[in-house]
Amino acid sequence: NSKVIQTPRYLVKGQGQKAKMRCIPEKGHPVVFWYQQNKNNEFKFLINFQNQEVLQQIDMTEKRFSAECPSNSPCSLEIQSSEAGDSALYLCASSLVANYAEQFFGPGTRLTVL
Amino acid sequence: SQWGEENLQALSIQEGEDVTMNCSYKTYTTVVHWYRQDSGRGPALIILIRSNEREKRSGRLRATLDTSSQSSSLSITAAQCEDTAVYFCATDEEGGRALIFGTGTTVSVSP
Repeated sequence: NSKVIQTPRYLVKGQGQKAKMRCIPEKGHPVVFWYQQNKNNEFKFLINFQNQEVLQQIDMTEKRFSAECPSNSPCSLEIQSSEAGDSALYLCASSLVANYAEQFFGPGTRLTVL
Repeated sequence: SQWGEENLQALSIQEGEDVTMNCSYKTYTTVVHWYRQDSGRGPALIILIRSNEREKRSGRLRATLDTSSQSSSLSITAAQCEDTAVYFCATDEEGGRALIFGTGTTVSVSP
């Protein structure tokens, strides 16, 4: 069973508000991924880190998304100005290595933007 | 099936029956991951099959991989109610760092 912790489990925001969610990866896993899963079960990779460094990220052209994985603190994903289309399940996963590895997922943060 | 021709996204069966779901992928991959996702939870890996394996088994689960046709299948033998979940296949994007998920097959097993 995955030991990835995500908080909060549910988040409700109004349009234009900031939304911040956190993730604690499994102990000993240096690689962290963020995915967005919409109501149609479509997954979208957002960003991944190895230790504190970004490995790759999608072109967050909206620039409303930001993420970090500081040393000795939970990783976080923040949406600066929430929009209705951001309503989704945000999943954090961790793994031992960056490439071709099993990813262990947390339960997700369900974001609803009213 | 997932990706390609999306024909079957939901399956309803009774306990004891066998079920197979298919997945096709568009780009070369060295690994196909099969995940299940229970309601209210994140995906959990159930089988990982590599390009040098044609078949892999885990308990009542059996995955196959055909790299020539870029397709994979997952079979559940003698399904039980607790097998009710959404099943996803996923491949590694080029470079192997992020997963590309199919759209999932919802399996409902009734007593």
